[in-house]
Amino acid sequence: KNQVEQSPQSLIILEGKNCTLQCNYTVSPFSNLRWYKQDTGRGPVSLTIMTFSENTKSNGRYTATLDADTKQSSLHITASQLSDSASYICVVSAPYGNKLVFGAGTILRVKS
Amino acid sequence: DTEVTQTPKHLVMGMTNKKSLKCEQHMGHRAMYWYKQKAKKPPELMFVYSYEKLSINESVPSRFSPECPNSSLLNLHLHALQPEDSALYLCASSSPGMGQKNTEAFFGQGTRLTVV
Repeated sequence: KNQVEQSPQSLIILEGKNCTLQCNYTVSPFSNLRWYKQDTGRGPVSLTIMTFSENTKSNGRYTATLDADTKQSSLHITASQLSDSASYICVVSAPYGNKLVFGAGTILRVKS
Repeated sequence: DTEVTQTPKHLVMGMTNKKSLKCEQHMGHRAMYWYKQKAKKPPELMFVYSYEKLSINESVPSRFSPECPNSSLLNLHLHALQPEDSALYLCASSSPGMGQKNTEAFFGQGTRLTVV
């Protein structure tokens, strides 16, 4: 069964600190992996999208890495801000069809 | 314009009501999606339209009826819903399809539906 597992389930960090969120997937074959940020009660907003041939992708203070051999991805947030408090969702898609496999998300809380 | 616009933002309806959720995008995307999301859970796929034709129905109850009048619009008609149908309903679009390399998928802000 195609699955996406994220860790930790939740995380609290101090403003200004860095953090790394993990994503392991078993989706195969694999086409691309996305990280989304979702504020409570709002739609997900795309942070990065990577294909199997890409190892890293940055978007401002967000840097995603991908190891297609071990089927692992990480999202690193640098110099966290209060506005980074949200759920971060790892999403994987296969080459065919129009389905995304969602992870359960990591709830990040940044406190001052 | 990289927006997917959903209306209304909030909706409260009774179990005997008929209502519709609307979704609109002007990015030329030919795939549009409805997702249902319960609190603290990931979105669950309900329907996929590809080139204005229903391509995926994830065994959704018939009280939810999707419609794609044209390539920019997607509706979700609601009738005789149950309280457990209360959730955040998300619309998304992509081109050409989610499985294509580097295909970006954009989500709307969602409609918060409460069934009383």
